[in-house]
Amino acid sequence: GQQLNQSPQSMFIQEGEDVSMNCTSSSIFNTWLWYKQDPGEGPVLLIALYKAGELTSNGRLTAQFGITRKDSFLNISASIPSDVGIYFCAGDLNAGNNRKLIWGLGTSLAVNP
Amino acid sequence: GAGVSQTPSNKVTEKGKYVELRCDPISGHTALYWYRQSLGQGPEFLIYFQGTGAADDSGLPNDRFFAVRPEGSVSTLKIQRTERGDSAVYLCASSLTSRIEAFFGQGTRLTVV
Repeated sequence: GQQLNQSPQSMFIQEGEDVSMNCTSSSIFNTWLWYKQDPGEGPVLLIALYKAGELTSNGRLTAQFGITRKDSFLNISASIPSDVGIYFCAGDLNAGNNRKLIWGLGTSLAVNP
Repeated sequence: GAGVSQTPSNKVTEKGKYVELRCDPISGHTALYWYRQSLGQGPEFLIYFQGTGAADDSGLPNDRFFAVRPEGSVSTLKIQRTERGDSAVYLCASSLTSRIEAFFGQGTRLTVV
């Protein structure tokens, strides 16, 4: 099925470093969502973006909805060990009643203390 | 309850058997979603309920898969004649009608042997 292109696939960083990951698509999205998933758990919503150009922060996390509506990035500042996990972007193609999210393959983040 | 609850957390079944997976959404959430996640992949949409009715079932892979939500709250995903390829984590999520942000349960890990 249709998927978002998410990069990088994996990252291994030192504690305290900043992290950046992004998602791109050939399609225009109405909404971008960023989730984090820990092993054995369901995804947890981090940030939701609703308008092109929107920049939103949640603590050390910052995400932006690209101007073209075809991309989004997530930054994590001053990483800590509990940031370890898989980060997914997800997008909503259609407005209205269609609530089907399209997902990236995830970025696996490892943090070396 | 406080969050989305899924039972069982793990299910091992023999090929050809019938299984039911249960989801209890967040109280007051009228929208409910089922996703399937294979190892190393993002969640894959299966079906979306708005109240008691399936608003979008385009993600169900074939007619062995069926889901119900008879009273607009708890939902059951039913899989007939299970196959080894059905092995995956089945995720349930819920949201308020007007919102695209979905909150996920911890998932049911289904293993077909």
